[in-house]
Amino acid sequence: DTGVSQNPRHKITKRGQNVTFRCDPISEHNRLYWYRQTLGQGPEFLTYFQNEAQLEKSRLLSDRFSAERPKGSFSTLEIQRTEQGDSAMYLCASSARDFTDTQYFGPGTRLTVL
Amino acid sequence: AQKITQTQPGMFVQEKEAVTLDCTYDTSDPSYGLFWYKQPSSGEMIFLIYQGSYDQQNATEGRYSLNFQKARKSANLVISASQLGDSAMYFCAMREHTGNQFYFGTGTSLTVIP
Repeated sequence: DTGVSQNPRHKITKRGQNVTFRCDPISEHNRLYWYRQTLGQGPEFLTYFQNEAQLEKSRLLSDRFSAERPKGSFSTLEIQRTEQGDSAMYLCASSARDFTDTQYFGPGTRLTVL
Repeated sequence: AQKITQTQPGMFVQEKEAVTLDCTYDTSDPSYGLFWYKQPSSGEMIFLIYQGSYDQQNATEGRYSLNFQKARKSANLVISASQLGDSAMYFCAMREHTGNQFYFGTGTSLTVIP
């Protein structure tokens, strides 16, 4: 049973560039979440998918951010025109529609915007 | 108002001793779940333990137990027989029945001293 995987693990980019991250959830999980974590803080919710439908988006998700989950499997998070304030750890989690709805997290993608 | 409050930025514990990490929460939803996660320096969030709001007994998972006091809205994590590998950040989180996201606290950094 493989866990949640994320690629790349690290990304360094220049301000103004676009970046895309990928998340592969646990195979039988139909729910997928993206979070952002900055130094010294807990993860902050960005968006949630149930299967291929994006059901909830945080106001933190500005119009430069877009997420997709085609076919309800892997998901991508794209940030356009990156800013230095986008530097953070981006975490993906997945859960099954069960009693506890426990979220299992991937290793994260650490983004550094120069 | 903060949904999850962790008031201990840092804690130290002697190896083989027990330690309690504090967590209080705020919700008006009668149905919710409480979670604890461990985040080592590698960055991955590791699920430790779950407590449901209607659970009559405190949750236990190996060396981890959750001291759930519903009236006080507290969900403290107790780690027994601390090991050096327990040194990490610990996050308390809550999911309300009416929502999809997790709310995380700011975390407690635990250091186990040999």
